[in-house]
Amino acid sequence: DAGITQSPRYKITETGRQVTLMCHQTWSHSYMFWYRQDLGHGLRLIYYSAAADITDKGEVPDGYVVSRSKTENFPLTLESATRSQTSVYFCASRGQANTEAFFGQGTRLTVV
Amino acid sequence: GESVGLHLPTLSVQEGDNSIINCAYSNSASDYFIWYKQESGKGPQFIIDIRSNMDKRQGQRVTVLLNKTVKHLSLQIAATQPGDSAVYFCAENSKSGSARQLTFGSGTQLTVLP
Repeated sequence: DAGITQSPRYKITETGRQVTLMCHQTWSHSYMFWYRQDLGHGLRLIYYSAAADITDKGEVPDGYVVSRSKTENFPLTLESATRSQTSVYFCASRGQANTEAFFGQGTRLTVV
Repeated sequence: GESVGLHLPTLSVQEGDNSIINCAYSNSASDYFIWYKQESGKGPQFIIDIRSNMDKRQGQRVTVLLNKTVKHLSLQIAATQPGDSAVYFCAENSKSGSARQLTFGSGTQLTVLP
């Protein structure tokens, strides 16, 4: 089905482990975004990408790595997970710079 | 720094009344704004948008007003229904790095009372 999908929906990992959150969109949108959502902080931008092989840091990039080798995928990796990275992560995409972004259903990540 | 913020964290309205959710922004270079609705356990959903060359835009039961002079954005929901209960976010579009990014406010929880 067309759309934007995130996987997994739920993940529990231990401190220090590497974990990758996947994001896939079927619209061939140029732009993709990763946000984290914590209580009281709304949605904070981690990284974004304007096209394949182009990525930029957002507001809270520390501890995260992204790649964009293909237009449709934008994985987010936590290289060494910390408890402070416990959050709900949302991926989004949009076709052009000044249009709305479409969000995935989110990944709830718990670091223990 | 530049930021998008909301005046009220919570808003309660009676079913059938109109709701007004406000948002202040500080980046004068922002040229595009979006309102999103987020229900519990779901991702944000697009409601309505407005470009900086407009003052007002209407959708189905929703209206967005933009006042660039005071950098203020509002979302008006007519005849509020129980299904409107959710968290509402405003987002602004601004240039940073290689591309435009969307920056979100902290959100307003709208509760519709029976």
